[in-house]
Amino acid sequence: GENVEQHPSTLSVQEGDSAVIKCTYSDSASNYFPWYKQELGKRPQLIIDIRSNVGEKKDQRIAVTLNKTAKHFSLHITETQPEDSAVYFCAAISSSGSARQLTFGSGTQLTVLP
Amino acid sequence: DAGVTQSPTHLIKTRGQHVTLRCSPISGHKSVSWYQQVLGQGPQFIFQYYEKEERGRGNFPDRFSARQFPNYSSELNVNALLLGDSALYLCASSPGAQSGYTFGSGTRLTVV
Repeated sequence: GENVEQHPSTLSVQEGDSAVIKCTYSDSASNYFPWYKQELGKRPQLIIDIRSNVGEKKDQRIAVTLNKTAKHFSLHITETQPEDSAVYFCAAISSSGSARQLTFGSGTQLTVLP
Repeated sequence: DAGVTQSPTHLIKTRGQHVTLRCSPISGHKSVSWYQQVLGQGPQFIFQYYEKEERGRGNFPDRFSARQFPNYSSELNVNALLLGDSALYLCASSPGAQSGYTFGSGTRLTVV
C-alpha cells in the first residue's frame, strides 16, 4: 500500500518568512495530492491540492509542487502570518484498486512567531 | 449548503461497549469515508463507501463495521470497545471518483 512520509515534524518561522513542508510517497499509481490544515480541536481543512498531471499550483500565499519522478511534493507558504499556525498534513490518493483512500503523512506543527 | 455533519460530537463509553457514529455527507456527494485520528497523528483510513457499496477497508479489526444508506448517509459501528479506540473519528465525503474530500468536524470518542 501507499506510504507517505512528511518532514519536518515541527517548524517555527518568524512572521513574514516562508515555510516549506516536504512529503514523499511510495506508490507510483498515486495521482492526487491534497494538503490539509488542522487547527487544534478542529477538522482537517483542504487548503490546496495537486493532480499528477500538474507540476505546480499556486493559490495566493500557498503553493504546491510535485515531482512525479522523485515521488515527492512540497507545500510552500510565503509571507507567513500568526494565523497560519496549525498542523499541516500532506496526503496521497492512489488510483489502484477500487478504494480511493487518503494516506496521510504524520503532520507538521507550524508555529509562526510574531 | 451544509457541509459534512457528524453526530454526536463527543462520546464517552466504557470498555466492552458498542458505539454507533453517524455522518451525513454534503448534498450530492455519493462517497463517504471514515478515518480514525489518534492524538498527535494523521488520520488513518477505516472504510470507504460509494453508492452504498463498500469500496475499501483499512487495517482495522472486524470490530469495526460500517454501512451507507440510500440517502448516502453513513454509520460507523465499533463493538467491544478498547481503550485504544479512543480517538477522533472523522467522516469525509466526495462527489465522485476524481474529486477531493471534505471532512466533517468529527466525533471525539473516549473509552474509559
